[in-house]
Parts: sequence; C-alpha cells; structure tokens
Amino acid sequence: EAQVTQNPRYLITVTGKKLTVTCSQNMNHEYMSWYRQDPGLGLRQIYYSMNVEVTDKGDVPEGYKVSRKEKRNFPLILESPSPNQTSLYFCASRGSGTGNSPLHFGNGTRLTVT
Amino acid sequence: GNSVTQMEGPVTLSEEAFLTINCTYTATGYPSLFWYVQYPGEGLQLLLKATKADDKGSNKGFEATYRKETTSFHLEKGSVQVSDSAVYFCALSEHSGNTPLVFGKGTRLSVIA
Repeated sequence: EAQVTQNPRYLITVTGKKLTVTCSQNMNHEYMSWYRQDPGLGLRQIYYSMNVEVTDKGDVPEGYKVSRKEKRNFPLILESPSPNQTSLYFCASRGSGTGNSPLHFGNGTRLTVT
Repeated sequence: GNSVTQMEGPVTLSEEAFLTINCTYTATGYPSLFWYVQYPGEGLQLLLKATKADDKGSNKGFEATYRKETTSFHLEKGSVQVSDSAVYFCALSEHSGNTPLVFGKGTRLSVIA
C-alpha cells in the first residue's frame, strides 16, 4: 500500500531534550516536506526537499533541522525543543514534475514540549 | 507571493443541507488548485483538484470550479452527511515542481443528524 509513515504518533518531551521524528514513504517520490499545524494558523511549511541531499527552508524553519540522505526518508530533528514547538506535525511527499501532483500525507505526530 | 483565503469556520449544518466553503487565491502565475480534507485523527488527503481555468474538480459528491476571473475555487456539495464532518483546506501550487503547496487556514465542518 502506498503510504507516508511517521513515527511516533504521540510524543511528550521536556525542553532541551533532542528528538527526531521519522518519516518514510514507499512511493519513490522525489519531493518531501514537513508541516506543522496549529489552531488558527493552518498548515505552515517547515522544510522541504526536492531530492536526495537537497533541502530548503519553508516558512517556519527556526529550531528545526532535516536531512535527506535517502530518497525514502526525511527525518525532522529538534536539537533543543522548546514549548512553542508543541504542535501537530505532518510529513508529506509527492512525485516530481509539475505542481499538479497532489501531496500524500502521513497521519501526523502530536508533539508536546513541557 | 501566493496566498489562499478561505472562509473561517466552524460551519455547522444539518444532514442533507447544501454546503459551500468559499476559497479565493492570489497567485503570480496560473496555479493548480486543490481541496484537501482532514478527518479526525488523520492526515490530509486530496479531495479534488483543478489544473486550469474553468476546470471542475469533483469527488465523493463534492465539486469546485476553477474561476480565473474571480480567482476563486469554492467547494460545494448538494447534500452533506454526518461522515463529511472534517476540516477542509483549500490550496494552490504553481505548475513548476519547485514551488511548495500553499494552504488556506482550514474550515471545520460539523454535520449533525
């Protein structure tokens, strides 16, 4: 089954403790992206990647890192999480080519930073 | 830059009522337009799309027409069901593959029996 898999689904951590949220897709997609969803703000893009070893900042990259060493994986790294990073995070992917291609989303990771 | 504005919710309707969720956009080029739906506890999934002016996207009884003259892509359904309760997002993407998807803030729909 074609899917985007994020782990974990829920994560509670403390300020300053490094964490990684994993994302994997099995559709051989070139493009992958991370979003955060917050009430009243909708979806905001954190980082995206057009292909292996190519990453770019989105609208809200501060406090986050990503890497794209393999095509299928695109982990999101919070080196020193803070409470304002408490949010619902989504990973998404799509095939290459034009912007006509729809995004495929994971089921989300709800992060709480205390 | 590109942007999407959609009506604020929440929207509460009775079953079998007519639904309209307004969406307007600003874009420098000629984007593709999308509606995504997010059911409780899940990620977003594509509901329908239109890639050029006057195209109509449709799926599961939902429709939206790409109106270039009014820069709009309003979502409609003739008779909603309780199972349609979800958050709906309008989005646009330039045709170039390098540009990210731009989302509206989402509209929560609740349908009551």
